[in-house]
Amino acid sequence: KQEVTQIPAALSVPEGENLVLNCSFTDSAIYNLQWFRQDPGKGLTSLLLIQSSQREQTSGRLNASLDKSSGRSTLYIAASQPGDSATYLCAVRPEGFQKLVFGTGTRLLVSP
Amino acid sequence: GAVVSQHPSRVICKSGTSVKIECRSLDFQATTMFWYRQFPKQSLMLMATSNEGSKATYEQGVEKDKFLINHASLTLSTLTVTSAHPEDSSFYICSASPRGYHTDTQYFGPGTRLTVL
Repeated sequence: KQEVTQIPAALSVPEGENLVLNCSFTDSAIYNLQWFRQDPGKGLTSLLLIQSSQREQTSGRLNASLDKSSGRSTLYIAASQPGDSATYLCAVRPEGFQKLVFGTGTRLLVSP
Repeated sequence: GAVVSQHPSRVICKSGTSVKIECRSLDFQATTMFWYRQFPKQSLMLMATSNEGSKATYEQGVEKDKFLINHASLTLSTLTVTSAHPEDSSFYICSASPRGYHTDTQYFGPGTRLTVL
């Protein structure tokens, strides 16, 4: 059974800092991995999707890497801003399935 | 971009009543829709996968007779929580995969907050 864990569970940083969020998964047989953002009481916004054959994806200040064999992904946020405050979720799509298995999330607070 | 809506966004009901939540893909057809549940400070857990015109596939531990899913058209799926109890209070989120597109993509709805008194 695929399990996805995110570390840290919560993170508080001052504005301007670069930060790294970690995601690990127990079964390397994945089709892809996605990072999402969730604001309180809201749905999900997809940030980055990495196919299993890829090593990283970038969008603006966000960079996500994937090491499939070791079951790890990181989300790097450069020059953090208060607007980045949200919960960040990673999710893997197991091979042979359409469903997503979500991680436990990291609650990020960026202070002005 | 692809938009998924959910209705209602928030519902409060008495214990024992049934509640229906709608999930609509507004500008695309969805062959597959997913229903997730999220308890406070926890992650999303998949409840069931529904394909248009066929019965939903439920995850282990999810009671199919309690959580009725109907995917009658390519743009609408409904989740009915029957005889709701306080422990069913949660945030319910649906997602939809577009028909004819690469099935990598799931578009998520804004969620429905259910509170059972």
